[in-house]
Formats: sequence, structure tokens, C-alpha cells
Amino acid sequence: TQLLEQSPQFLSIQEGENLTVYCNSSSVFSSLQWYRQEPGEGPVLLVTVVTGGEVKKLKRLTFQFGDARKDSSLHITAAQPGDTGLYLCAGAPQNTGFQKLVFGTGTRLLVSP
Amino acid sequence: KAGVTQTPRYLIKTRGQQVTLSCSPISGHRSVSWYQQTPGQGLQFLFEYFSETQRNKGNFPGRFSGRQFSNSRSEMNVSTLELGDSALYLCASSLQRGAAYEQFFGPGTRLTVL
Repeated sequence: TQLLEQSPQFLSIQEGENLTVYCNSSSVFSSLQWYRQEPGEGPVLLVTVVTGGEVKKLKRLTFQFGDARKDSSLHITAAQPGDTGLYLCAGAPQNTGFQKLVFGTGTRLLVSP
Repeated sequence: KAGVTQTPRYLIKTRGQQVTLSCSPISGHRSVSWYQQTPGQGLQFLFEYFSETQRNKGNFPGRFSGRQFSNSRSEMNVSTLELGDSALYLCASSLQRGAAYEQFFGPGTRLTVL
């Protein structure tokens, strides 16, 4: 079973602080995605990384895919209340050939004004 | 372009009943996947359909089934409902692009089994 462990599970910070969320696995993934989900809604895709060592920036969010394609991180600079939500990483297991995303355990972020 | 739509948004059923959920993918997307989300288990893959064929299936009992129509719309059915089936059921559609299977989710159907 390919599992994606996220840490921390919960994070409560003040507006303006920086934070990093980690997504780790012992399995190799051909690609990895990050989603944000708000209460009562479905996850919204933030980014997809496909190359080991790849770094992508989306405004205040920086995503990194590990060199071995087994882990990833999401760094948020100067967090804002609008960043509040459930952050999920999801990986496409290598060589599965089909669309079977494995989702991480989730990190619930609360940013207070 | 309209996003993924799911109906109904909320559903209350009693144990033993069956339920059918519907999903309309983004126009042009031919792959539809279904997931179950619960606080304890997180997001778990149910199955994926492409061109009316089930391509992949998760580890769920046979009470969970689905189908896809020629217009790519999909339905999932749960028979003999159990209390543990209470969850948010999410549908996602995708347009396969290389090695990255980006999925776009609908708002989900919140199923409560009493």
C-alpha cells in the first residue's frame, strides 16, 4: 500500500507567519499534486510537480518535489487568513498506468488575523 | 468552462437503503474518478471510469458500484447502506496530460446514513 504521510496534521498560526507542510512516502511517484480544500467544497488543485528536485512558486506558495520523488513540501510565506483550509498532497504511483491518485493524510491550517 | 457538478449536494438515507449519486465532468474530460472522504480515513479512491469502462478500482466492497455514460457523465451507487457509509463523496474529472494526472473535483455529495 502506498501511503503519503503529511505533517503536521494541524497548524494554527498568526497572520504574517511562515509555515512548511511536509508530505512523505517510501514509494516513488511519477507526479505529485497539492490541493487545498475548504469546508463543504471539493479539493482545488494548486500545483503539479513531475520532476525530482523541481521547485514551483505560486505567489506566496513554494512547492518542492524531492530528488527521489518520494516526498514533497509546501512552504507558505507571510500566511493570510485566506490560506486557511485543508491541504492535501496526492501522488500518482509510478508505473500504475492508470489514474489512481493516492492522497495524503491532510494538514489542517488555521491562520488567525 | 463549467466545472465538475455533482448532484445532489446533500442526502439523508437510512440503513439498508440504496443511493445513486451523479457527476457531470468538465466538458472534454473523459476520465471520471470517485472518492470517499471521511474524517477518520481521509480521501480514499473508489473507482475510475474512462470511455464508459472502469479502469481502476479501490478497496471497497461490492456494494459500491458505478458507471459512465457515453457523454462522460457518471453515476455511483451504494446499495444496502451502512452507518459507516456516511461521508463526503467526491467526483473528479481529468484530461490526462503526460505523467501528471491532474484532477478537478466537484463540490461533493454529503451523504448521511441514519
